[in-house]
Amino acid sequence: QSVLTQPPSASGTPGQRVTISCSGSRVNIGSNTVNWYQQFPGTAPKLLIDSSDQRPSGVPDRFSGSKSGTSASLAISGLQAEDEADYYCAAWDDSRNGWEFGGGTKLTVL
Amino acid sequence: QVQLVESGGGVVQPGRSLRLSCAASRFTFSNHAMYWVRQAPGKGLEWVAVLSPDGINKYYSDSVKGRFSISRDNPKNTVFLQLNSLRAEDTAVYFCARGLVRSVYYGMDVWGQGTPVTVSS
Repeated sequence: QSVLTQPPSASGTPGQRVTISCSGSRVNIGSNTVNWYQQFPGTAPKLLIDSSDQRPSGVPDRFSGSKSGTSASLAISGLQAEDEADYYCAAWDDSRNGWEFGGGTKLTVL
Repeated sequence: QVQLVESGGGVVQPGRSLRLSCAASRFTFSNHAMYWVRQAPGKGLEWVAVLSPDGINKYYSDSVKGRFSISRDNPKNTVFLQLNSLRAEDTAVYFCARGLVRSVYYGMDVWGQGTPVTVSS
C-alpha cells in the first residue's frame, strides 16, 4: 500500500482537461514538494513537474501541477492521444526518511 | 544531453549478490544527488536509495535496508548499487536517476534506461 494515494485510472477525450490527484499526509506532501513523472510502457519515467508546480524545460504548458495542504494535483489540459501513459507523484517522507511514490495512475485517452 | 547508462543486471539465485553500475555523462556529476528506483514487472515505481553528492548521506527504503548499499565514484562519474541477500521480490528493472539538485530532498530529474534484475532459482 503506497503512502501517497493516486486513483488507479483516469480517462478523458481529446481536448478535455483531466486532473490526477495525489493524497498524502503532513509528513510528506504537507512538508515537502511534489514531483510528477510520466512513463510510457517499457520506457524510463520522465519528469513532468518538480517542486509541486514547476515545469522543466521542454514540458508542454498543457501540463501543470499544484499543491494544497497534504494533497497535490496534476492537470492536463487539451488532452492528446499521446498523453496516454502512467503518471506517478513522488515526495520525500520525513517520518520514513525516504522517498515515496504514489501507486500510479493509468491515463486513457478515449 | 545528460546521459545515464546502467549495467550489471542479470539473473541471479536467491541469496546471492549483484552489483549495478550507472555511468553518468554530460553534466557535473559531483554536483548532484543520485538515486536508484526500481519497478517490478507490471508494478509501479519504488524508490530504493539515494546518495548525497559527497557520498556521505545515504538513505534506503525499508525493503532493502541492511541488504543493499549505494556508493559513488565521483572522479569516474559512476554510482553503484550493491545488492546482497537477494530475494525473489527484488526482481525488477532498476533505474538510476540524477537528483534535481545537490540536496536529496528534491527528487530526481533525468533517468537511465534501466537494467533488469531477476532473482530466481
